[in-house]
Amino acid sequence: EDQVTQSPEALRLQEGESSSLNCSYTVSGLRGLFWYRQDPGKGPEFLFTLYSAGEEKEKERLKATLTKKESFLHITAPKPEDSATYLCAVPRRVRPLEETSGSRLTFGEGTQLTVNP
Amino acid sequence: SAVISQKPSRDICQRGTSLTIQCQVDSQVTMMFWYRQQPGQSLTLIATANQGSEATYESGFVIDKFPISRPNLTFSTLTVSNMSPEDSSIYLCSVVLRAQYNYEQYFGPGTRLTVT
Repeated sequence: EDQVTQSPEALRLQEGESSSLNCSYTVSGLRGLFWYRQDPGKGPEFLFTLYSAGEEKEKERLKATLTKKESFLHITAPKPEDSATYLCAVPRRVRPLEETSGSRLTFGEGTQLTVNP
Repeated sequence: SAVISQKPSRDICQRGTSLTIQCQVDSQVTMMFWYRQQPGQSLTLIATANQGSEATYESGFVIDKFPISRPNLTFSTLTVSNMSPEDSSIYLCSVVLRAQYNYEQYFGPGTRLTVT
């Protein structure tokens, strides 16, 4: 069964203090890894999709990287508005006769990030 | 990206009643899904909403409890039937957009359901 584990559960940073969030996964045949940001009371906001080891994607202060066993979300010089829960997810195994997993996602439990001014 | 709206945004319901949640997307999408997020937890996939055929449910979810309709490529409904307090959750619809080389999956704002 696919498993996605995120660490730490919670992270408190000072504004400008760079850090990384971890997402480790156990899947048979990775078909991508998704990162989301979720603010309280809102739906997850899509950030990145990564597909192959060594791939990197950036968006403002965020950079996501992927290895064969885990992904990191690096946050450079964070600001208080970066405070949110960050979720990673992987698509499930393709069913027989199913062309693609179509992104039936298994989510990790998330990392709650707080950035203090 | 896709703009997804859900109705209602929140509701408080009595035990034993049913609630239908609507999901509207601003463009035609092939793949649409329904997720649940229980208080303090991450997201769990309920089912894939298939246009023109019955929804495909994940383990632990059944059609009698969560009937789903998908009449076209921009709209779907999820009904939570015979509700109990354990059904109190945020329900989210999600769509997949296929770009040239990758997928992007977007979520609606969610419907916060409280069952008393």
